[in-house]
Amino acid sequence: QKEVEQDPGPLSVPEGAIVSLNCTYSNSAFQYFMWYRQYSRKGPELLMYTYSSGNKEDGRFTAQVDKSSKYISLFIRDSQPSDSATYLCAMTYNQGGKLIFGQGTELSVKP
Amino acid sequence: SQTIHQWPATLVQPVGSPLSLECTVEGTSNPNLYWYRQAAGRGLQLLFYSVGIGQISSEVPQNLSASRPQDRQFILSSKKLLLSDSGFYLCAWQNRGQGTDTQYFGPGTRLTVL
Repeated sequence: QKEVEQDPGPLSVPEGAIVSLNCTYSNSAFQYFMWYRQYSRKGPELLMYTYSSGNKEDGRFTAQVDKSSKYISLFIRDSQPSDSATYLCAMTYNQGGKLIFGQGTELSVKP
Repeated sequence: SQTIHQWPATLVQPVGSPLSLECTVEGTSNPNLYWYRQAAGRGLQLLFYSVGIGQISSEVPQNLSASRPQDRQFILSSKKLLLSDSGFYLCAWQNRGQGTDTQYFGPGTRLTVL
């Protein structure tokens, strides 16, 4: 079993839709959670960073962590074609530790 | 602000040829540095990481090697490339000094081995 599982998609939605991207993990020791966005043929860029459980909002993006269920989500409101990318979740046990990445979900937002 | 550079951006090499990919970071000191490989449609595979000059940890046994000759320079090498070495190679840095846990990625090098 992989430490971090992420549905690879592809996921296709119409412009303006609410998108939900998810990752599950098996190790309850993970405490720091990240979402990266990767455009085609580019390096990943950090989108959201959260510590422990709870929600964090940044504009149209909301990151949610449920440690009891070992489940994290990224919600995108009012999705735009420019949101079309691969979204990678990542997590780590401690500060300065190595990141464990999900496989990435490919998202396509159609105009 | 910090920036990370990788070169070359694209590389096509024959099987059995050597490889040298370079990564440099600006605007920070004593970072953790990482090399990842991303195969098509797959996640990131950690290859090497370094916490300081000359300190290299290998995650996956393979025909690749890494070196850190300077604080902000990280090099990925191979003496003889295999077809399976094709992929998208990403360098990342992490600022240990401020306790951040995030990694910041470079633009990547796309390697095709023929």
